[in-house]
Amino acid sequence: AQSVTQLGSHVSVSEGALVLLRCNYSSSVPPYLFWYVQYPNQGLQLLLKYTSAATLVKGINGFEAEFKKSETSFHLTKPSAHMSDAAEYFCAVSPNTGGFKTIFGAGTRLFVKA
Amino acid sequence: GAGVSQSPRYKVAKRGQDVALRCDPISGHVSLFWYQQALGQGPEFLTYFQNEAQLDKSGLPSDRFFAERPEGSVSTLKIQRTQQEDSAVYLCASSFTSGGSYNEQFFGPGTRLTVL
Repeated sequence: AQSVTQLGSHVSVSEGALVLLRCNYSSSVPPYLFWYVQYPNQGLQLLLKYTSAATLVKGINGFEAEFKKSETSFHLTKPSAHMSDAAEYFCAVSPNTGGFKTIFGAGTRLFVKA
Repeated sequence: GAGVSQSPRYKVAKRGQDVALRCDPISGHVSLFWYQQALGQGPEFLTYFQNEAQLDKSGLPSDRFFAERPEGSVSTLKIQRTQQEDSAVYLCASSFTSGGSYNEQFFGPGTRLTVL
């Protein structure tokens, strides 16, 4: 069965600092991987996704993530945090062998300090 | 264009009442998903539709939960005899194509259900 673990339910960074949100997955075969962002009172919005093409994936708002099979990780990074990045971030995995069920991590809330 | 909409945005029910939550997906989207998001948790898969066909309902927590999408567009999630543990945000998402789980899902704002 697939699963996703997000390390750290809360992450706090200063404005302009590096953002690193950690995600590890468990799957018998490399799955599809996603990062979604959720702003208060809004639906989830896709930041980026990995679908077995390039291992370094660039997304919106300056975010990127690198798929590392050996570490079963898909960490999300951004070189310089902005106040508007404060939100909840979810890592998700879905099967690439058929099936429709997407499994989400518990989420990491990002705080950005001025 | 319009995104995924859900109604009502907030619903308060007394324990034992039946509720119906509506989802209007993006026009033309084939796939539709329902998720349950408990406080402080990530969304948990409930069910999946491809057009009007419910292809996966493995996430529905009990037989009190029922979902339908009779004409392949609007979907309704019904919860019978609500219990306090049903309190959560119910999210609907749609996707343009079918089959591939690599497709981006577009989420609605959710319906926050509180059962007293």
